[in-house]
Amino acid sequence: GAVVSQHPSRVICKSGTSVKIECRSLDFQATTMFWYRQFPKKSLMLMATSNEGSKATYEQGVEKDKFLINHASLTLSTLTVTSAHPEDSSFYICSAREGGPYSNQPQHFGDGTRLSIL
Amino acid sequence: GESVGLHLPTLSVQEGDNSIINCAYSNSASDYFIWYKQESGKGPQFIIDIRSNMDKRQGQRVTVLLNKTVKHLSLQIAATQPGDSAVYFCAEIPRGGADGLTFGKGTHLIIQP
Repeated sequence: GAVVSQHPSRVICKSGTSVKIECRSLDFQATTMFWYRQFPKKSLMLMATSNEGSKATYEQGVEKDKFLINHASLTLSTLTVTSAHPEDSSFYICSAREGGPYSNQPQHFGDGTRLSIL
Repeated sequence: GESVGLHLPTLSVQEGDNSIINCAYSNSASDYFIWYKQESGKGPQFIIDIRSNMDKRQGQRVTVLLNKTVKHLSLQIAATQPGDSAVYFCAEIPRGGADGLTFGKGTHLIIQP
C-alpha cells in the first residue's frame, strides 16, 4: 500500500531555532500533500495544502511566514517552522494523496513529528 | 462554521463484542467520508471510506454506514480485538475533493479483556 514517511519523528530544540520537517511519498507520486497539526487529545487541524511546483495554500489563521512549505518534487514536501517558540510545540503530521488534485484516492499519513520547543 | 463532530469521546467494549462509533457531519455538500484509526504517537491509518452515492460499505471486520438524511456516519467493528484500541476519527472532504480533510473530534475506543 501507499507509504508516507515523515522525518524526523521527534525534535527538541531551543526557542528561536528553525526546524525543518520532511514528508516523503515512498512508492507513489503526490502532486498534493497536506500538513496538519494536532494538540494532545485533540483532533487534527489542517494547516496548509502543499502543491508541487507552486505556492502552498494556507488555512485561515496559519501564518505562512512562520510555517514555510516547499514542495519541490512529486515525492517530497517540507515544512519549516521558523523561529520556533514554545507555543509551536505540537504534533505535526503530513499526508499525501496519489494522483492529481482531484483524484479519488484517500490520503495516507506519515507517523508525525513531535516538536518540543524549550 | 461547519464541522464534523463525534457523539462520544470514549467507548469501552469487551473483547469479542461489536463496537459502533458514530459521527455527525454538518456540511451537506460533502461527498467523501473516511474513517481513520490513530494509535498513540502515530499518524492516522486509513480504515475505510465511503462516497455520498452509497449508504453502506463493508471491509474486513468493518462496516461504514452513511445516512445522508440526518447527516450521520458510523463505523462498526465486528469482534473487537485488543489491537483495535485506538482513537477513531471520521473525516470529510467538503469541497469537491481537492482539499485537505476536516476531522471530527475523535472517539477513543478501549477494548476490555
